Amino acid sequence: AQSVTQLDSQVPVFEEAPVELRCNYSSSVSVYLFWYVQYPNQGLQLLLKYLSGSTLVKGINGFEAEFNKSQTSFHLRKPSVHISDTAEYFCAVTSGPGNQFYFGTGTSLTVIP
Amino acid sequence: GAGVSQSPSNKVTEKGKDVELRCDPISGHTALYWYRQRLGQGLEFLIYFQGNSAPDKSGLPSDRFSAERTGESVSTLTIQRTQQEDSAVYLCASSSTGQRNNEQFFGPGTRLTVL
Repeated sequence: AQSVTQLDSQVPVFEEAPVELRCNYSSSVSVYLFWYVQYPNQGLQLLLKYLSGSTLVKGINGFEAEFNKSQTSFHLRKPSVHISDTAEYFCAVTSGPGNQFYFGTGTSLTVIP
Repeated sequence: GAGVSQSPSNKVTEKGKDVELRCDPISGHTALYWYRQRLGQGLEFLIYFQGNSAPDKSGLPSDRFSAERTGESVSTLTIQRTQQEDSAVYLCASSSTGQRNNEQFFGPGTRLTVL
């Protein structure tokens, strides 16, 4: 069985400060990892994904995430946040094509001006 | 269309009534998922269809909830005898089983309000 843990339910951060949103997963098999973002009153959209290859993946809007197999983590980072980054962020894992996705409970990022 | 579509976008119903929510996945996507998102909460998995395999219904909260999918196309989620706690946004997502294309694409959701 797989599961995803997002330890921080809410993260307030000042504008232009760096941010890290944590995601840990549990799985006994190889995984594909995703971060989705949900802006207020909008649907979910893909921020970035790790399928294979380089463990550092870059996504839209200046976000990046690093896959750490030994720590079973896929933390999301941005060096300098903007007001427009205020949103809900979801981490997800799947063991491969055609398999079920498992989502974390989400982290609410609030950027303070 | 190019993306996942859901209808209706909003549904207000009275407690005890049945409702039917529709999802049109991206053409060619064999996998289809339904999630529930209560206000201020994360995604709650409901059901998963994969091709012609038996659906994974492990997330359905009660026997009032059911879902069907016709082949690899439209899916309907039915909630019978709705309760106020069923109020939520119901999200549908689809994905391809292509080797490097198993990203989930989400629809805009159906906001269900049970009075």
